[in-house]
Amino acid sequence: QKEVEQNSGPLSVPEGAIASLNCTYSDRGSQSFFWYRQYSGKSPELIMSIYSNGDKEDGRFTAQLNKASQYVSLLIRDSQPSDSATYLCAALYSGGGADGLTFGKGTHLIIQP
Amino acid sequence: DTAVSQTPKYLVTQMGNDKSIKCEQNLGHDTMYWYKQDSKKFLKIMFSYNNKELIINETVPNRFSPKSPDKAHLNLHINSLELGDSAVYFCASSQGPMSPLHFGNGTRLTVT
Repeated sequence: QKEVEQNSGPLSVPEGAIASLNCTYSDRGSQSFFWYRQYSGKSPELIMSIYSNGDKEDGRFTAQLNKASQYVSLLIRDSQPSDSATYLCAALYSGGGADGLTFGKGTHLIIQP
Repeated sequence: DTAVSQTPKYLVTQMGNDKSIKCEQNLGHDTMYWYKQDSKKFLKIMFSYNNKELIINETVPNRFSPKSPDKAHLNLHINSLELGDSAVYFCASSQGPMSPLHFGNGTRLTVT
């Protein structure tokens, strides 16, 4: 059973601070990991993808992957009110056949002005 | 020039009816998906098609039937709708199973 776990929140962060979102996954065969942002009433949009251990930076966003601990995180620097949304962590298992992404239930992030 | 488009955006219907949701992508992707997002925002895969062939069929009721006339289209037909079918249904596409998903805007289905 492939599962992705996230704290549903809400996670409240003051504007300008660093928001830290965390995610764990159950299947060691998972090899690709993604963070999606979903505004209320909208579709998920891809923020970051990460495939190897370590950090990956893209603007204000940094994704971190630790396969030994089965842990993925997303850091948002200089948080803005427009970052307020639900953040979905997703893992892709590549162990044979073609599998869809397994999503976590999302973390609701609130950036306080 | 919408990448993944699905229609209708809203669908309100009564129990027992049959309805369809259409999806089209112009990204040239080979793989298309249907995801269901329930009231708790949990996003779960229902079906996946790779170049018109079904490659995933998660444990969804057989009242749900995907149809792919070509690799740019993936429609979802639902028979004998039930109250529990109320959710937002997202179509998505990707270049392949290892690639990120591009989602459509979703269809909010309400069964009364």
